[in-house]
Amino acid sequence: QVHLVQSGAEVKKPGASVRVSCKASQYTFIDSYIHWVRQAPGHGLEWMGWIDPNTGGTHCAQKFQGRVNMTRDTSITTASLEVSGLQSDDTAVYYCAKESTTTFFDSWGQGSLVIVSS
Amino acid sequence: SYVLTQSPSVSVAPGQTATITCGGNNIGSKSVHWYQQKPGQAPVVVVYDDSDRPSGIPERFSGSNSGNTATLTISRVEAGDEADYYCQVWDSATDLYVFGVGTKVTVL
Repeated sequence: QVHLVQSGAEVKKPGASVRVSCKASQYTFIDSYIHWVRQAPGHGLEWMGWIDPNTGGTHCAQKFQGRVNMTRDTSITTASLEVSGLQSDDTAVYYCAKESTTTFFDSWGQGSLVIVSS
Repeated sequence: SYVLTQSPSVSVAPGQTATITCGGNNIGSKSVHWYQQKPGQAPVVVVYDDSDRPSGIPERFSGSNSGNTATLTISRVEAGDEADYYCQVWDSATDLYVFGVGTKVTVL
């Protein structure tokens, strides 16, 4: 059973950065892309980007380019998302999700709430 | 960028059939995946690759995709099916993953 366990909730001030981690287990970490998806309160799902745990290569939606950094540490099978320059509209639950072999997300983390407030 | 459109809400009586649509330009040429999300929970895939079901998902959930519309059908709806449902595709032209805005299914 694939398991993705995320870090806890964070409260940040505008302009700050936040780092969310995603610990993967029960599968071969380097074999599947990890994606980041966020959901603002009362809103739908918004895809942010992916990281290839094997190579460290990343790709993200244009709106996040320059503000989002996705990394991984294969020694501890953990992917991380850092978002800088936080604003109030970055308040959301951030999910990591494992991509299957055919472009859908077959396992999700439990979500990490990030609140941006002065 | 590629856009997916969904009706905001669907209401259905228990035992009846819920039909949720996802519109997109020539979406029939793409693989469509559907997720169920209950309040406070992470999404769960209920249909992938247009019409396949993961293990553990009831046969009551089925999908189809043709032309400009993909459809998720929930037969014999139960109270536990009340949730938000999102369609999702991968746009190969841009390597972007796109979600629909979601449809709230209410069981009357």
